[in-house]
This record gives sequence, C-alpha cells and structure tokens, in this order.
Amino acid sequence: GDSVTQMEGPVTLSEEACLTINCTYTATGYPSLFWYVQYPGEGLQLLLKATKADDKGSNKGFEATYRKETTSFHLEKGSVQVSDSAVYFCALSDGANSKLTFGKGITLSVRP
Amino acid sequence: GAVVSQHPSWVICKSGTSVKIECRSLDFQATTMFWYRQFPKQSLMLMATSNEGSKATYEQGVEKDKFLINHASLTLSTLTVTSAHPEDSSFYICSASPGFSNQPQHFGDGTRLSIL
Repeated sequence: GDSVTQMEGPVTLSEEACLTINCTYTATGYPSLFWYVQYPGEGLQLLLKATKADDKGSNKGFEATYRKETTSFHLEKGSVQVSDSAVYFCALSDGANSKLTFGKGITLSVRP
Repeated sequence: GAVVSQHPSWVICKSGTSVKIECRSLDFQATTMFWYRQFPKQSLMLMATSNEGSKATYEQGVEKDKFLINHASLTLSTLTVTSAHPEDSSFYICSASPGFSNQPQHFGDGTRLSIL
C-alpha cells in the first residue's frame, strides 16, 4: 500500500537558518504530493502541493519538487522565521476523493 | 481559499455523554468528507470516509457504532461520539474534498474532546 516516510524530528533551528525536511513515498500509481502545516492547537493547512513529476510547489518561501526518480518531495526554505515553528506533514493522495496518506509529521522550532 | 468550519473547537463532557461534532464546507460542495483522530504529538489517523447520501466507510479498527457519521448534505458532515469515555479524549479533525481532480482536501481547525 501507499506510505510516506518523513525524517525523524524534532528539528530546532535559529532564525534565518536554512531548512530541509526530507520526505519519501511509496505508491503504486502516480500520486499527488502535499505538505501540510499544523500550528499549535489548530487543524492542518495546506502549505503546497505538486501533482506530477518535476512539478515544484511553493508558498510562503517554502518549496518542494516532485522527484519521481527518487520518490521524494523534500521541503525546503532558505531562511526560516520564528513564525514557521509548527508541525509539518508530508502526504500523498492517489486521486480525487481518495484518502490522504500522511507521514508521521515533524516538529520545527525556530528560536530567535 | 476554501474554508472548512468545524464546531465546537473544544468540549469537555462527563463520561457516558454523547458528543456531536459538525464539519461544514463554507464555500464549496464537498462530495467527500474525512474524519481523523490525532493523538498528542502523533500523525493523523483516518477514522472514516463519508460520501454525501451514503454510509460512511470506516477504517479497520474503528467502531462504527461508537463513532456515528452522517453526511446528509454536500456541505455538512457530523461525527457523534456515543457514550464517550476518557479513552475517547483526543483531537478530532475533519476535512472536505470538492471532488475535482487534483483538488486537495481542506481541513477544519479540529475539535479537542476531553471526557472526564
């Protein structure tokens, strides 16, 4: 079945540091890939998505590229801010109305 | 952007009480809604998938008589935790999908349920 593997956390960075959160996936078809962010006490918000190979999703300075050859969708940001502190989930979906398969999530803490 | 409203955001009840959580899509019609449960510092666990006008599909290990799901319209799904006990305390999150190809699910802000 489908699965998503995220790097182990938590991650603590200083403000303006560079961020990379690894995500790899296993799927039988051609899934869409997502990054969701969850701020403390809140639900999930879509951060970015990519629907086919080589697509790059971007939002709020975050980027992730759909790499079919390495089955990866790593999240990157060149300069993190304190306000980026949250839990980040990588997820895949294999079609409209299909279930989302989530990674375990990783907590990012950015200190001033 | 698309908005999903979930209510209540926080509820505390005595053991044995039944609790209803509402999930509404505010600016789109949601052919499918999903209900998740999240334990502290863990990922989301899909509980069930509901399609408008039909019975919900429950994931393995989820008691359908315990967690009643109704999706009576294209904008509203409800989750009722029946005869709740302390072990049902958790963070419950709904999401809704407009049903178009490649459109992502949109999540509510979650409901924190505490059973005393």
